[in-house]
Amino acid sequence: KAGVTQTPRYLIKTRGQQVTLSCSPISGHRSVSWYQQTPGQGLQFLFEYFSETQRNKGNFPGRFSGRQFSNSRSEMNVSTLELGDSALYLCASSLNPDRGDETQYFGPGTRLLVL
Amino acid sequence: TQLLEQSPQFLSIQEGENLTVYCNSSSVFSSLQWYRQEPGEGPVLLVTVVTGGEVKKLKRLTFQFGDARKDSSLHITAAQPGDTGLYLCAGEAGGSYIPTFGRGTSLIVHP
Repeated sequence: KAGVTQTPRYLIKTRGQQVTLSCSPISGHRSVSWYQQTPGQGLQFLFEYFSETQRNKGNFPGRFSGRQFSNSRSEMNVSTLELGDSALYLCASSLNPDRGDETQYFGPGTRLLVL
Repeated sequence: TQLLEQSPQFLSIQEGENLTVYCNSSSVFSSLQWYRQEPGEGPVLLVTVVTGGEVKKLKRLTFQFGDARKDSSLHITAAQPGDTGLYLCAGEAGGSYIPTFGRGTSLIVHP
């Protein structure tokens, strides 16, 4: 079974631009979560999508948004990029049928550099 | 303020040594997970502990969940270079569905 895939793996943007990252979960997984990982703050939860609905949201500004499609694939968007948005963005999927199995499987991440 | 505090932050040891990594909180967790992350990759789940006082073993790794479910430890016996990586603890506190991660312990095992 293929793991979680994320595209692109690396991205360089400049301040003020916007970016869209993509995540394909493990086949059959319905929940997709997004995280930001930086050396200073560690891994921080952005949001979780389940059945195309945002179920939980972390403490990030509205510039960070996401969505999930009917095939469970998910995208996250960051608008008006700031230097501090440089980070590794990780996606994780879980089977999560009514919270029966919450084991998360992470993708390799997208490394975003904002100049 | 970090909900989950990990210590030590960095650890550099020789092959064959033993080590313990700690994950502490003032909050109660319904469960705690331990992950290992290697450079350029996402975290990989090692274990989930659920019951207070629970001890789980994974080959040379021993995981313990505190009786009050506020802390956990990871002990590695006879560390090997393949154990090198970032060890993260994570959980959801007090019925929250927001996952919280510690900042991690970066372990280097020298041959």
